[in-house]
Amino acid sequence: GAVVSQHPSRVICKSGTSVKIECRSLDFQATTMFWYRQFPKQSLMLMATSNEGSKATYEQGVEKDKFLINHASLTLSTLTVTSAHPEDSSFYICSARGSGGHTEAFFGQGTRLTVV
Amino acid sequence: SQQGEEDPQALSIQEGENATMNCSYKTSINNLQWYRQNSGRGLVHLILIRSNEREKHSGRLRVTLDTSKKSSSLLITASRAADTASYFCAFSGAGSYQLTFGKGTKLSVIP
Repeated sequence: GAVVSQHPSRVICKSGTSVKIECRSLDFQATTMFWYRQFPKQSLMLMATSNEGSKATYEQGVEKDKFLINHASLTLSTLTVTSAHPEDSSFYICSARGSGGHTEAFFGQGTRLTVV
Repeated sequence: SQQGEEDPQALSIQEGENATMNCSYKTSINNLQWYRQNSGRGLVHLILIRSNEREKHSGRLRVTLDTSKKSSSLLITASRAADTASYFCAFSGAGSYQLTFGKGTKLSVIP
């Protein structure tokens, strides 16, 4: 399958700082990227959907000013957690899909964010 | 997005036995997919079944889909210790590419 690279895999930051997570599609053009959040022992919850060149669509309850998503190219989307708080500590996973119907989404390896 | 339901939440079996996990959903779907996640890692796509398909096989995996009951099952035959992981179903609704995930089944295969 196609490869989606997510970086960093782990990050520890201080409260109040911002953290940027990158999601890259390495061998295909990702017209759509999805960002998920996963709490320990729970399922993935969709945070937002981004299409290349347009603003992200956020799910209900997700603060767009706190979780800034940029999808400036067909191979890169970034999620920036601004003014991080300990409750933002979680596992963040991106996925990317190309164009065309029934195209499966490929997932990055995830980023473990710990805010201290 | 409405989360799917999976059962059991946790399943522990001996190596060589079969493992069956079930997923139910509430909306009309385009397709349903199963993913595997090792602890603290990303997701690995296992298999996709379209809404007009009833059964699909891939190696030791067998997936069924019953759209009348809005349910799917994943069968892993002849399980191995390396199959230990969490398994999630995920589905996309008609006209959407967004995936909604089930709550997952944590499978432990004891050597």
